[in-house]
Amino acid sequence: RKEVEQDPGPFNVPEGATVAFNCTYSNSASQSFFWYRQDCRKEPKLLMSVYSSGNEDGRFTAQLNRASQYISLLIRDSKLSDSATYLCVVNRGGNTPLVFGKGTRLSVIA
Amino acid sequence: DTGVSQNPRHKITKRGQNVTFRCDPISEHNRLYWYRQTLGQGPEFLTYFQNEAQLEKSRLLSDRFSAERPKGSFSTLEIQRTEQGDSAMYLCASSLVPQGAYGYTFGSGTRLTVV
Repeated sequence: RKEVEQDPGPFNVPEGATVAFNCTYSNSASQSFFWYRQDCRKEPKLLMSVYSSGNEDGRFTAQLNRASQYISLLIRDSKLSDSATYLCVVNRGGNTPLVFGKGTRLSVIA
Repeated sequence: DTGVSQNPRHKITKRGQNVTFRCDPISEHNRLYWYRQTLGQGPEFLTYFQNEAQLEKSRLLSDRFSAERPKGSFSTLEIQRTEQGDSAMYLCASSLVPQGAYGYTFGSGTRLTVV
């Protein structure tokens, strides 16, 4: 089983739609969680950290469910500029490096 | 520019040649990471340094690969006797220890094509 698993998509949604991505992780000792955004042929950029209490940043909401070992990202009122690949990222803790999922591709269509 | 800088941006090389990439991290970051990304995949960890010490190497890092960070500042990644399977984007990232809620900052990457 992969350490971080995501549905690769693509998710094709119209502008204004709400879309949600889920991600599961296998290591129950994982401590930190992130969503990164990656545009085509560009480097990944941190979108948001994911906290146990959930967190919101504008149209983006991230949730963590430790019991079920999954992380979610909700995007409301999708914009064309949200089209990108969204990478689920897990830190197993201590000095271990971040582990990236394969990413979920989102296309927002006019 | 205070971001992570990688050079070159693109490299095309013939199979069997050696290549070297450079990464300049954010100056106050003491951790530096190398990842590799192929099409349709997420970044895969290769190795990382804390200051000049190389603390972990992935089993993806065959003995044809070597990385250095001689003075705890910039780092180089060398691939000897390149193979077509080495074609990928090589990403460098840096962070403070502990990275806490801040994750990593990535450079723009070096895209390697082995022909």
